[in-house]
Amino acid sequence: LAKTTQPISMDSYEGQEVNITCSHNNIATNDYITWYQQFPSQGPRFIIQGYKTKVTNEVASLFIPADRKSSTLSLPRVSLSDTAVYYCLVGGYSSASKIIFGSGTRLSIRP
Amino acid sequence: DADVTQTPRNRITKTGKRIMLECSQTKGHDRMYWYRQDPGLGLRLIYYSFDVKDINKGEISDGYSVSRQAQAKFSLSLESAIPNQTALYFCATSDSGQGSYGYTFGSGTRLTVV
Repeated sequence: LAKTTQPISMDSYEGQEVNITCSHNNIATNDYITWYQQFPSQGPRFIIQGYKTKVTNEVASLFIPADRKSSTLSLPRVSLSDTAVYYCLVGGYSSASKIIFGSGTRLSIRP
Repeated sequence: DADVTQTPRNRITKTGKRIMLECSQTKGHDRMYWYRQDPGLGLRLIYYSFDVKDINKGEISDGYSVSRQAQAKFSLSLESAIPNQTALYFCATSDSGQGSYGYTFGSGTRLTVV
């Protein structure tokens, strides 16, 4: 069971880069790392997914070291609208029951 | 139209009543899930289904049942609702064919049991 650990909360300011780190010491060989964003009273929204090294898309980057025991979600130049809860998930596509959301990281962006 | 539609959006029901939450999707995904979220907490998996003939219990299935009526429809039932089932319920889908694990979530059903 790949449990994840994230900071409970983080604060930052508009225009800054924000890095949220997730530890997953028990990650399995076939597990992917996926990050979601959730706004109040809305369903989580897929942000990015990776297996190793670095992945980048139009909204974020995901850094995964060689041992894959942690990962870092990087949000460049955040705005007020990035205020949300961010979840790090670890799992493989054949193991739905092992996909644990945890409590996530509550990110607050200030002007 | 939303890819994953949940009905109703909000529901208040009395203790002991049977209630059904419905979920339909237009993603063409074969996998569907029901999650529960309590205030300030993460999501917990109730049930999941990998295809029409497949139903599996998640972390917290007690007091709930599900039905996968078609590939696109997955309903969650509370046979006898109790107050501690008051929560925000989310339906989600994913596609096994991609070999990855990205969910698409619905907008949620806020259920209050009084």
